[in-house]
Amino acid sequence: SQQGEEDPQALSIQEGENATMNCSYKTSINNLQWYRQNSGRGLVHLILIRSNEREKHSGRLRVTLDTSKKSSSLLITASRAADTASYFCATDANSGYSTLTFGKGTMLLVSP
Amino acid sequence: GAVVSQHPSRVICKSGTSVKIECRSLDFQATTMFWYRQFPKQSLMLMATSNEGSKATYEQGVEKDKFLINHASLTLSTLTVTSAHPEDSSFYICSASGRNEKLFFGSGTQLSVL
Repeated sequence: SQQGEEDPQALSIQEGENATMNCSYKTSINNLQWYRQNSGRGLVHLILIRSNEREKHSGRLRVTLDTSKKSSSLLITASRAADTASYFCATDANSGYSTLTFGKGTMLLVSP
Repeated sequence: GAVVSQHPSRVICKSGTSVKIECRSLDFQATTMFWYRQFPKQSLMLMATSNEGSKATYEQGVEKDKFLINHASLTLSTLTVTSAHPEDSSFYICSASGRNEKLFFGSGTQLSVL
């Protein structure tokens, strides 16, 4: 079953604006990861945040994690048309590497 | 970064035929690979976990005899959709576990069964 639930399901913004996507989950996790998928393609790993971390940055990406609320957010700053894609959060509940559980994703459309 | 190659990227077949999809880790050894199915605008549904040298572990509701998985080497896993029917039409994606708990994904296979 899908643990992560992203919202919004779809987001449409203009280039240069920031995009914020949220993810909620239900059980304890070891880490939470965000992936990106272009239409008809595989997923690309963006960023991983561990359960003992609260915030992480990578380029224009900023991820926060609130384990008390079982939620995470992905912020893309100064968005570009090339950021148009679906974004999925995935939770890893076990120590070490194990199966990730993916959410339903947020479809982001960035218009020029 | 690690590369996972999946092919074919697209296959169209007649109902009743079998289709084999390959997933290769090109620059690392993957003892574990995963197979997913994705419907349009939906998330990834894990079908099975493929372990090198042993039988695959299937998720509940996934027919083992329908979706045959073979992981004969540390760099190759195959998914065979046997006696495909139109309801098997979907996007199939593989992934392999790499370092640092990340998954590396193939580019996916769009299967259309006529």
